[in-house]
Amino acid sequence: EVQLVESGGGLVQPGRSLRLSCAASGFTFDDYAMHWVRQAPGKGLEWVSGISWNSGSIGYADSVKGRFTISRDNAKNSLYLQMNSLRAEDTALYYCAKDLSARTFGYFDLWGRGTLVTVSS
Amino acid sequence: EIVLTQSPATLSLSPGERATLSCRASQSVSSYLAWYQQKPGQAPRLLIYDASNRATGIPARFSGSGSGTDFTLTISSLEPEDFAVYYCQQRSNWPQYTFGQGTKLEIK
Repeated sequence: EVQLVESGGGLVQPGRSLRLSCAASGFTFDDYAMHWVRQAPGKGLEWVSGISWNSGSIGYADSVKGRFTISRDNAKNSLYLQMNSLRAEDTALYYCAKDLSARTFGYFDLWGRGTLVTVSS
Repeated sequence: EIVLTQSPATLSLSPGERATLSCRASQSVSSYLAWYQQKPGQAPRLLIYDASNRATGIPARFSGSGSGTDFTLTISSLEPEDFAVYYCQQRSNWPQYTFGQGTKLEIK
Protein backbone atom coordinates (compact mmCIF):
# COMPACT_ATOMS: atom_id res chain seq x y z
CA GLU A 1 0.00 0.00 0.00
CA VAL A 2 1.22 3.45 -0.89
CA GLN A 3 1.34 5.45 2.32
CA LEU A 4 3.12 7.91 4.54
CA VAL A 5 3.02 7.55 8.31
CA GLU A 6 4.17 10.37 10.55
CA SER A 7 5.28 10.01 14.16
CA GLY A 8 7.05 11.93 16.89
CA GLY A 9 4.52 14.60 17.74
CA GLY A 10 3.47 15.47 21.25
CA LEU A 11 3.30 18.14 23.92
CA VAL A 12 6.51 20.13 24.36
CA GLN A 13 7.44 23.25 26.28
CA PRO A 14 8.42 26.46 24.49
CA GLY A 15 12.11 26.54 23.65
CA ARG A 16 12.46 22.75 23.60
CA SER A 17 13.04 20.41 20.67
CA LEU A 18 11.17 17.66 18.91
CA ARG A 19 11.99 15.37 15.99
CA LEU A 20 9.30 14.21 13.60
CA SER A 21 9.63 11.15 11.40
CA CYS A 22 7.77 10.01 8.31
CA ALA A 23 7.90 6.41 7.11
CA ALA A 24 7.17 5.89 3.42
CA SER A 25 6.05 2.69 1.76
CA GLY A 26 4.61 1.45 -1.51
CA PHE A 27 6.64 3.67 -3.84
CA THR A 28 10.26 4.30 -4.74
CA PHE A 29 11.08 6.82 -2.05
CA ASP A 30 14.35 8.05 -3.48
CA ASP A 31 12.70 9.06 -6.76
CA TYR A 32 10.77 11.91 -5.17
CA ALA A 33 11.21 15.15 -3.33
CA MET A 34 9.46 15.25 0.03
CA HIS A 35 7.93 18.00 2.13
CA TRP A 36 6.48 18.94 5.49
CA VAL A 37 3.25 20.95 5.55
CA ARG A 38 1.51 22.04 8.74
CA GLN A 39 -1.95 23.13 9.74
CA ALA A 40 -2.65 24.99 12.95
CA PRO A 41 -5.92 24.02 14.68
CA GLY A 42 -8.84 25.38 12.67
CA LYS A 43 -6.53 27.18 10.24
CA GLY A 44 -5.22 26.77 6.72
CA LEU A 45 -2.22 24.99 5.27
CA GLU A 46 1.36 26.23 5.54
CA TRP A 47 4.30 24.71 3.66
CA VAL A 48 7.17 24.25 6.12
CA SER A 49 10.08 22.63 4.32
CA GLY A 50 11.06 20.54 1.33
CA ILE A 51 13.99 18.34 0.30
CA SER A 52 14.97 16.97 -3.10
CA TRP A 53 15.42 13.27 -3.77
CA ASN A 54 19.16 13.38 -3.09
CA SER A 55 19.09 16.08 -0.38
CA GLY A 56 20.88 18.40 -2.79
CA SER A 57 18.18 21.06 -2.61
CA ILE A 58 16.58 22.03 0.69
CA GLY A 59 14.26 24.90 1.52
CA TYR A 60 12.39 26.34 4.47
CA ALA A 61 9.59 28.76 5.09
CA ASP A 62 10.80 32.00 6.65
CA SER A 63 8.76 31.18 9.77
CA VAL A 64 10.97 28.17 10.59
CA LYS A 65 14.29 29.00 8.95
CA GLY A 66 17.19 28.62 11.37
CA ARG A 67 15.11 26.56 13.82
CA PHE A 68 13.95 23.53 11.79
CA THR A 69 16.08 21.06 9.83
CA ILE A 70 14.73 18.65 7.24
CA SER A 71 16.57 15.47 6.32
CA ARG A 72 15.96 12.11 4.72
CA ASP A 73 17.42 8.62 4.78
CA ASN A 74 16.69 6.93 1.46
CA ALA A 75 18.00 3.60 2.73
CA LYS A 76 15.31 3.67 5.42
CA ASN A 77 12.57 5.27 3.26
CA SER A 78 12.25 7.95 5.90
CA LEU A 79 11.88 11.72 6.14
CA TYR A 80 12.64 13.74 9.24
CA LEU A 81 12.05 17.20 10.70
CA GLN A 82 14.20 18.35 13.58
CA MET A 83 12.42 21.20 15.31
CA ASN A 84 14.39 23.35 17.75
CA SER A 85 13.49 26.46 19.76
CA LEU A 86 9.82 25.65 19.47
CA ARG A 87 7.27 28.41 19.89
CA ALA A 88 3.57 28.42 20.65
CA GLU A 89 2.87 29.38 17.05
CA ASP A 90 4.46 26.11 15.89
CA THR A 91 1.48 24.25 17.35
CA ALA A 92 -0.06 22.39 14.44
CA LEU A 93 -0.77 19.10 12.75
CA TYR A 94 2.35 18.30 10.74
CA TYR A 95 1.85 16.43 7.48
CA CYS A 96 4.48 14.61 5.50
CA ALA A 97 3.83 14.94 1.76
CA LYS A 98 5.28 13.39 -1.36
CA ASP A 99 6.00 15.34 -4.49
CA LEU A 100 3.88 14.66 -7.55
CA SER A 101 6.57 13.33 -9.85
CA ALA A 102 10.26 12.95 -10.29
CA ARG A 103 10.19 15.94 -12.65
CA THR A 104 8.31 18.41 -10.48
CA PHE A 105 9.13 20.04 -7.18
CA GLY A 106 6.31 21.50 -5.21
CA TYR A 107 3.02 19.72 -5.77
CA PHE A 108 1.92 17.24 -3.12
CA ASP A 109 0.04 14.15 -4.29
CA LEU A 110 0.36 11.84 -1.29
CA TRP A 111 -0.12 12.91 2.31
CA GLY A 112 0.12 11.20 5.65
CA ARG A 113 -2.50 11.52 8.36
CA GLY A 114 -0.33 13.97 10.27
CA THR A 115 1.24 14.13 13.71
CA LEU A 116 0.14 16.76 16.21
CA VAL A 117 2.70 19.05 17.82
CA THR A 118 1.54 21.15 20.75
CA VAL A 119 3.89 23.75 22.17
CA SER A 120 2.74 24.89 25.58
CA SER A 121 4.04 25.34 29.10
CA GLU B 1 6.43 36.12 -0.44
CA ILE B 2 3.68 35.48 -2.98
CA VAL B 3 0.28 35.91 -1.35
CA LEU B 4 -2.62 33.89 -2.69
CA THR B 5 -6.07 35.33 -2.03
CA GLN B 6 -9.04 33.03 -2.45
CA SER B 7 -12.62 34.13 -2.96
CA PRO B 8 -15.22 33.79 -1.78
CA ALA B 9 -14.37 32.68 1.75
CA THR B 10 -17.56 30.63 1.83
CA LEU B 11 -19.68 29.45 -1.07
CA SER B 12 -23.16 28.05 -0.44
CA LEU B 13 -24.58 25.95 -3.25
CA SER B 14 -26.82 22.96 -3.82
CA PRO B 15 -25.92 19.58 -5.32
CA GLY B 16 -26.09 19.71 -9.08
CA GLU B 17 -25.10 23.39 -9.25
CA ARG B 18 -21.89 24.73 -10.75
CA ALA B 19 -19.19 26.00 -8.40
CA THR B 20 -16.61 28.61 -9.35
CA LEU B 21 -13.75 29.28 -6.94
CA SER B 22 -11.16 31.98 -7.45
CA CYS B 23 -7.50 32.32 -6.51
CA ARG B 24 -5.52 35.51 -7.13
CA ALA B 25 -1.75 35.78 -6.74
CA SER B 26 0.05 38.93 -5.59
CA GLN B 27 2.49 38.47 -8.50
CA SER B 28 2.68 36.17 -11.48
CA VAL B 29 3.11 32.45 -10.74
CA SER B 30 2.94 31.51 -14.44
CA SER B 31 0.98 28.24 -14.46
CA TYR B 32 2.59 26.85 -11.32
CA LEU B 33 -0.60 26.57 -9.34
CA ALA B 34 -2.40 23.64 -7.75
CA TRP B 35 -5.77 23.07 -6.11
CA TYR B 36 -6.45 20.80 -3.12
CA GLN B 37 -9.60 19.55 -1.46
CA GLN B 38 -9.73 18.94 2.28
CA LYS B 39 -12.57 17.30 4.16
CA PRO B 40 -12.90 17.46 7.97
CA GLY B 41 -10.44 15.18 9.72
CA GLN B 42 -8.68 14.26 6.49
CA ALA B 43 -5.48 15.21 4.76
CA PRO B 44 -5.68 17.40 1.68
CA ARG B 45 -6.09 15.77 -1.72
CA LEU B 46 -4.45 17.10 -4.88
CA LEU B 47 -7.06 17.91 -7.53
CA ILE B 48 -5.35 20.08 -10.14
CA TYR B 49 -1.70 20.93 -10.87
CA ASP B 50 -0.05 23.31 -13.31
CA ALA B 51 -3.31 25.28 -13.27
CA SER B 52 -5.30 22.92 -15.47
CA ASN B 53 -4.08 19.33 -15.21
CA ARG B 54 -6.24 16.92 -13.26
CA ALA B 55 -4.39 14.66 -10.87
CA THR B 56 -4.79 10.90 -11.15
CA GLY B 57 -8.27 9.68 -10.26
CA ILE B 58 -9.88 13.12 -10.11
CA PRO B 59 -13.33 13.22 -11.76
CA ALA B 60 -13.79 15.22 -14.94
CA ARG B 61 -16.28 17.55 -13.25
CA PHE B 62 -13.26 19.28 -11.68
CA SER B 63 -11.42 21.67 -13.97
CA GLY B 64 -8.87 24.41 -13.52
CA SER B 65 -7.97 27.43 -15.60
CA GLY B 66 -5.91 30.57 -15.54
CA SER B 67 -2.33 31.77 -15.66
CA GLY B 68 -0.25 34.61 -14.32
CA THR B 69 -2.20 35.98 -11.36
CA ASP B 70 -5.80 34.82 -11.81
CA PHE B 71 -6.97 31.24 -11.48
CA THR B 72 -10.28 29.43 -11.27
CA LEU B 73 -11.38 26.02 -10.05
CA THR B 74 -14.70 24.94 -11.50
CA ILE B 75 -16.84 22.04 -10.39
CA SER B 76 -19.34 21.57 -13.16
CA SER B 77 -22.10 19.80 -11.23
CA LEU B 78 -21.72 19.42 -7.49
CA GLU B 79 -21.92 15.99 -5.92
CA PRO B 80 -22.63 15.60 -2.17
CA GLU B 81 -19.02 14.52 -1.57
CA ASP B 82 -17.65 17.76 -3.07
CA PHE B 83 -18.61 19.91 -0.09
CA ALA B 84 -15.28 20.62 1.59
CA VAL B 85 -12.59 23.28 1.90
CA TYR B 86 -10.52 24.06 -1.19
CA TYR B 87 -7.02 25.52 -1.19
CA CYS B 88 -4.86 26.87 -3.99
CA GLN B 89 -1.07 26.63 -3.75
CA GLN B 90 1.81 28.05 -5.80
CA ARG B 91 5.19 26.51 -6.48
CA SER B 92 6.56 29.36 -8.58
CA ASN B 93 8.76 30.83 -5.87
CA TRP B 94 11.17 28.28 -4.36
CA PRO B 95 11.58 27.94 -1.44
CA GLN B 96 8.60 30.06 -0.53
CA TYR B 97 5.68 27.89 -1.51
CA THR B 98 2.40 29.33 -0.28
CA PHE B 99 -1.24 28.35 0.06
CA GLY B 100 -4.33 30.45 -0.14
CA GLN B 101 -6.47 30.81 2.96
CA GLY B 102 -9.13 28.45 1.62
CA THR B 103 -12.71 28.54 0.35
CA LYS B 104 -15.32 26.58 2.24
CA LEU B 105 -17.88 25.05 -0.09
CA GLU B 106 -21.00 24.33 1.93
CA ILE B 107 -24.40 22.88 1.20
CA LYS B 108 -27.12 25.48 0.78
